Amino acid sequence: DSGVTQTPKHLITATGQRVTLRCSPRSGDLSVYWYQQSLDQGLQFLIQYYNGEERAKGNILERFSAQQFPDLHSELNLSSLELGDSALYFCASSVALGQAYEQYFGPGTRLTVT
Amino acid sequence: AQKITQTQPGMFVQEKEAVTLDCTYDTSDQSYGLFWYKQPSSGEMIFLIYQGSYDEQNATEGRYSLNFQKARKSANLVISASQLGDSAMYFCAMRESGDGSARQLTFGSGTQLTVLP
Repeated sequence: DSGVTQTPKHLITATGQRVTLRCSPRSGDLSVYWYQQSLDQGLQFLIQYYNGEERAKGNILERFSAQQFPDLHSELNLSSLELGDSALYFCASSVALGQAYEQYFGPGTRLTVT
Repeated sequence: AQKITQTQPGMFVQEKEAVTLDCTYDTSDQSYGLFWYKQPSSGEMIFLIYQGSYDEQNATEGRYSLNFQKARKSANLVISASQLGDSAMYFCAMRESGDGSARQLTFGSGTQLTVLP
């Protein structure tokens, strides 16, 4: 158990819908990262927050947004869902921004868009 | 160019044997970190080992060691005494120093390791 929690574990929804994925980082970790894992794109970085502020954006679609709250939990919002958004979405956390700090991954949320 | 290349989509190893999973990387940064993660069929990503670009010694964590060859830009994972529970997908990842604030990981495409009894 990495200490990072993600809910829900599975999510099945229809095209055009909106969903929210939730992540609670390890206790004491200030940095949260969101990654998407799909068969065709592999593991891709989406967005990073540090202590409530957005720090970096990767290959995140405009239909997707995220935020980190004062209690450090984070939410990833996916809207106008398409079939291609079906993927495993991971949240990871690390204690700080330093080079050596490993990221601990949550169990992931498996999103299926039908 | 791919930043992280894992050329072995699948590997087989006999139980109790050692196995090396290849990883090459591409970066112009002097300061960077290299990571290996394990993803079993259950889906979670498990951190295995870390190597910093300035570390002179190869990293080791139990049965895992990282064969770091900086000039060749390779960071191969060596698993000694393979166990059935080592069967999983293994990902090599890199964190570059970038602009000093972003610390995201770039992942390779992974190697599916199967340990045979």
